[in-house]
Amino acid sequence: DAGVIQSPRHEVTEMGQEVTLRCKPISGHDYLFWYRQTMMRGLELLIYFNNNVPIDDSGMPEDRFSAKMPNASFSTLKIQPSEPRDSAVYFCASSQQGAGDIQYFGAGTRLSVL
Amino acid sequence: QKEVEQNSGPLSVPEGAIASLNCTYSDRVSQSFFWYRQYSGKSPELIMSIYSNGDKEDGRFTAQLNKASQYVSLLIRDSQPSDSATYLCAVFMFSGGYNKLIFGAGTRLAVHP
Repeated sequence: DAGVIQSPRHEVTEMGQEVTLRCKPISGHDYLFWYRQTMMRGLELLIYFNNNVPIDDSGMPEDRFSAKMPNASFSTLKIQPSEPRDSAVYFCASSQQGAGDIQYFGAGTRLSVL
Repeated sequence: QKEVEQNSGPLSVPEGAIASLNCTYSDRVSQSFFWYRQYSGKSPELIMSIYSNGDKEDGRFTAQLNKASQYVSLLIRDSQPSDSATYLCAVFMFSGGYNKLIFGAGTRLAVHP
């Protein structure tokens, strides 16, 4: 398997623009997670899905952030409008059997909002 | 109190020595514990998982869990310069109304020749 695939790897945008991050989980994994990593706050869970249904979105920072999983092989994290404080590395991860199962991470998207 | 705490380091050890990385957690009923390694600019990758009290060995790595003390550690024997990375402790616990994996801030390990 190719592992968790994220795109783009790098994104540079200007404040106020819409940003869409994409993720393809490992085939057969029923759980998908979106994390954000910064120096100040470390690795934080934003939201996770089970069988394409959002379970816990308590980590989504504000209404500017939204996530969808239209099918088992694709998820998006959207930020609209983007702000400089959204600059971070965003990771997608997937697991097979639960939120407490081993999670496999994608390569991440490094987002810079100018 | 942070839910998962680690010393940020850097922890500096000479090549060939044992590196000891420590982690404490707040939720007494947590059952699943993980160590991830993250090289600079890369994504976290799983090193070890542990679920029961005691030691679990995998090659040069040993994870130790003590649920009574709410403490989990990772020992790296015969440390190599390639082990230089940030090590993240992760605990599956109840937080904010849901069970989820909570990561510590990570300990930066530097192995010098």
